[in-house]
Amino acid sequence: DAMVIQNPRYQVTQFGKPVTLSCSQTLNHNVMYWYQQKSSQAPKLLFHYYDKDFNNEADTPDNFQSRRPNTSFCFLDIRSPGLGDAAMYLCATSREWTGVSYEQYFGPGTRLTVT
Amino acid sequence: AQKVTQAQTEISVVEKEDVTLDCVYETRDTTYYLFWYKQPPSGELVFLIRRNSFDEQNEISGRYSWNFQKSTSSFNFTITASQVVDSAVYFCALSVINNAGNMLTFGGGTRLMVKP
Repeated sequence: DAMVIQNPRYQVTQFGKPVTLSCSQTLNHNVMYWYQQKSSQAPKLLFHYYDKDFNNEADTPDNFQSRRPNTSFCFLDIRSPGLGDAAMYLCATSREWTGVSYEQYFGPGTRLTVT
Repeated sequence: AQKVTQAQTEISVVEKEDVTLDCVYETRDTTYYLFWYKQPPSGELVFLIRRNSFDEQNEISGRYSWNFQKSTSSFNFTITASQVVDSAVYFCALSVINNAGNMLTFGGGTRLMVKP
């Protein structure tokens, strides 16, 4: 089945220690998104890739970076995690918008704990 | 700017009851899309439905139905004969297409608890 895969499902890192979360997709979608979701809140968009074009949300901290080496893979790098970065990180994909807004397909998420 | 309001933060029902989750949206765009997602305890958001602003037909899929009313800017979701497996957080979302792309504006979510 075509899907969005996130690894690892659970990640524990130390305060200030860089961490990378990964996402892969078999849907062959051009657009990939990273969201941060804290407890009892809606997902918050951090950034997205439209093909190779990177688009950062205005309020995404510089501490968060992303890489997309090819269509299938996308990485979220947190350079110096703080306690406030503990959250669920969701990756999503969608078809490119050409006058139509398509649904996004989400991975299972990576729950990040910062100690 | 877009806004989605889900006034019900938490709903509790007993199995087999019908339940309606409310969603009210705001946008100045005439072309927009509405979505519902389900987030079970496992964490993954599961896409349920997409509706564009020009299609006001209600939709039924099994025990799920959606009522889209542009006159009241609402896109409500009804589960008939609820089951314990329906327990989840449900998000309503709105999307418009502009220079920034195809971004989702989520409501705050409604936690549905279905008790046996």
